[in-house]
Amino acid sequence: DAGVTQSPTHLIKTRGQQVTLRCSPKSGHDTVSWYQQALGQGPQFIFQYYEEEERQRGNFPDRFSGHQFPNYSSELNVNALLLGDSALYLCASREQGGLNTEAFFGQGTRLTVV
Amino acid sequence: KQEVTQIPAALSVPEGENLVLNCSFTDSAIYNLQWFRQDPGKGLTSLLLIQSSQREQTSGRLNASLDKSSGRSTLYIAASQPGDSATYLCAVRPDAGGTSYGKLTFGQGTILTVHP
Repeated sequence: DAGVTQSPTHLIKTRGQQVTLRCSPKSGHDTVSWYQQALGQGPQFIFQYYEEEERQRGNFPDRFSGHQFPNYSSELNVNALLLGDSALYLCASREQGGLNTEAFFGQGTRLTVV
Repeated sequence: KQEVTQIPAALSVPEGENLVLNCSFTDSAIYNLQWFRQDPGKGLTSLLLIQSSQREQTSGRLNASLDKSSGRSTLYIAASQPGDSATYLCAVRPDAGGTSYGKLTFGQGTILTVHP
């Protein structure tokens, strides 16, 4: 079992550009969440996808959007990048059927906006 | 709004010492609490999950306790080793009532350094 996998691992973008990050959940998991972690801070919830729909959203602007595919994998898109979007982006997956189940995280994508 | 606080922010101990990391949360209506470990620049590794109905969970040298009514959890690490050096994060999931799909709310973490 490969666990949660994210790509790419590192990315450098210019202010104003758009970026797409990808996540494959752990085998058997159907719910994917995205978190943003600034340096020295705890992760902040962006949104969660289940059954290909956004189910819950944190306090992030509409520049942040996502998608979930029928195979449960997910993408995070960020438009009009700002310097403040530089962070580690983490994907987490779990099994929605059991709300008590553990969340498993990927290794993250380090995004640097210059 | 749920807020999670971790104390201390940083901790440095000699190898072999037993230590306790603290986590407090403001809203006791939680479904579960999870402790994670994060190495520099890496993702999160799940250490322990405690359901709201449980008082503690153990895995190897790690023991986590939960007092939901007082909004507190502790992570106890026995016989610390240099390999335990990392940032430790606690996170709470809200109660599953209604249509909540259970986002995790994290503390800012405790940076642990265990020196030989």
